[in-house]
Amino acid sequence: DAGVIQSPRHEVTEMGQEVTLRCKPISGHDYLFWYRQTMMRGLELLIYFNNNVPIDDSGMPEDRFSAKMPNASFSTLKIQPSEPRDSAVYFCATASQGTYNEQFFGPGTRLTVL
Amino acid sequence: GQNIDQPTEMTATEGAIVQINCTYQTSGFNGLFWYQQHAGEAPTFLSYNVLDGLEEKGRFSSFLSRSKGYSYLLLKELQMKDSASYLCAVLPNFGNEKLTFGTGTRLTIIP
Repeated sequence: DAGVIQSPRHEVTEMGQEVTLRCKPISGHDYLFWYRQTMMRGLELLIYFNNNVPIDDSGMPEDRFSAKMPNASFSTLKIQPSEPRDSAVYFCATASQGTYNEQFFGPGTRLTVL
Repeated sequence: GQNIDQPTEMTATEGAIVQINCTYQTSGFNGLFWYQQHAGEAPTFLSYNVLDGLEEKGRFSSFLSRSKGYSYLLLKELQMKDSASYLCAVLPNFGNEKLTFGTGTRLTIIP
């Protein structure tokens, strides 16, 4: 298996622009998580899905952030408009119902907003 | 709220043993996890404890005391490749898979 796939790996954009991050989960995994990691705040859960349905989005910072999972093979995290404080590494992780205690992380997207 | 504390940095010598502590105060408890994260890479799962006691997996062991809100990760026969950040995370609520992570302990192994 290829593992969790994220794209792009690096994104540099200007304040005010829309940013879309993409994630392809491991086949057969029921759970998908979006995390943000910064030096100041560490690793924070933004939102997670179970069977393509958003379950907990209490970590989404504000309305500028939105996430979708249209099918079991794809999820997006969108920031519109982006701000410099959104600069961080964004990880997607997935897990299986049978082994829910182990999350498999993708390589991350390093976002820089100028 | 949820609070997880672990030391920010530690240094240990190659071949030695190191213990990384984690204390937590959370609204509930449904398991404690340790993840390893090398610089510039993604976290990878190391261990999971839900009952009190020691879980051993090769050179790594993890201990949990629920009554004390305390866990530690024990690394034996340290190797240079063990230099990484170690993240403690708690699953507070049964039925909700939202993990709360500590800020991590950066471990440096010296020759």
